[in-house]
Amino acid sequence: RKEVEQDPGPFNVPEGATVAFNCTYSNSASQSFFWYRQDCRKEPKLLMSVYSSGNEDGRFTAQLNRASQYISLLIRDSKLSDSATYLCVVKLNAGGTSYGKLTFGQGTILTVHP
Amino acid sequence: DAGVIQSPRHEVTEMGQEVTLRCKPISGHDYLFWYRQTMMRGLELLIYFNNNVPIDDSGMPEDRFSAKMPNASFSTLKIQPSEPRDSAVYFCASRIDRDPEAFFGQGTRLTVV
Repeated sequence: RKEVEQDPGPFNVPEGATVAFNCTYSNSASQSFFWYRQDCRKEPKLLMSVYSSGNEDGRFTAQLNRASQYISLLIRDSKLSDSATYLCVVKLNAGGTSYGKLTFGQGTILTVHP
Repeated sequence: DAGVIQSPRHEVTEMGQEVTLRCKPISGHDYLFWYRQTMMRGLELLIYFNNNVPIDDSGMPEDRFSAKMPNASFSTLKIQPSEPRDSAVYFCASRIDRDPEAFFGQGTRLTVV
């Protein structure tokens, strides 16, 4: 089983739509969670961190369910510029050889059309 | 700071040749990661260093791959001999211990023919 699993999509939505991405992780020792965004033929960049209580950044809302080992990203009022691949990332904070390791999901492709 | 710098940006080589990818992390960052990205497998962690010491190389596919970090400002990933299935985009990323955000270089697009 992969450490981090995402639905690869693609998701094709019209402008203004609300879209949600899900991600599950297998290692219960995972302590920090993030969403990265990757534009076509570019490098990944941090979109937002995911906090236990859930957090919002403008049109983006991230949520974490530790019991189910599940992370989500909600995008409201989609824009054409939101078209990208969204990568779920987990970081182990425990000790040992995996400390500090960032593990990426395969990514979910989003295309927003006019 | 110029960010994480990788070279070359593109590399086309023949099967069997040695390939060396280079990375200069952001100054002051103490973690350095090498990732490989393909359509089929996504972004895979190959190896990462902390304070120039390799911490986890379990993602290195086989003995043909090796990575070094001789000092805090330079790392190399070498493939010898290269094979067509090594074709991918190789990313280097760095971060500082107190901040979980990883900063990526622009990647090296490797094609082995």
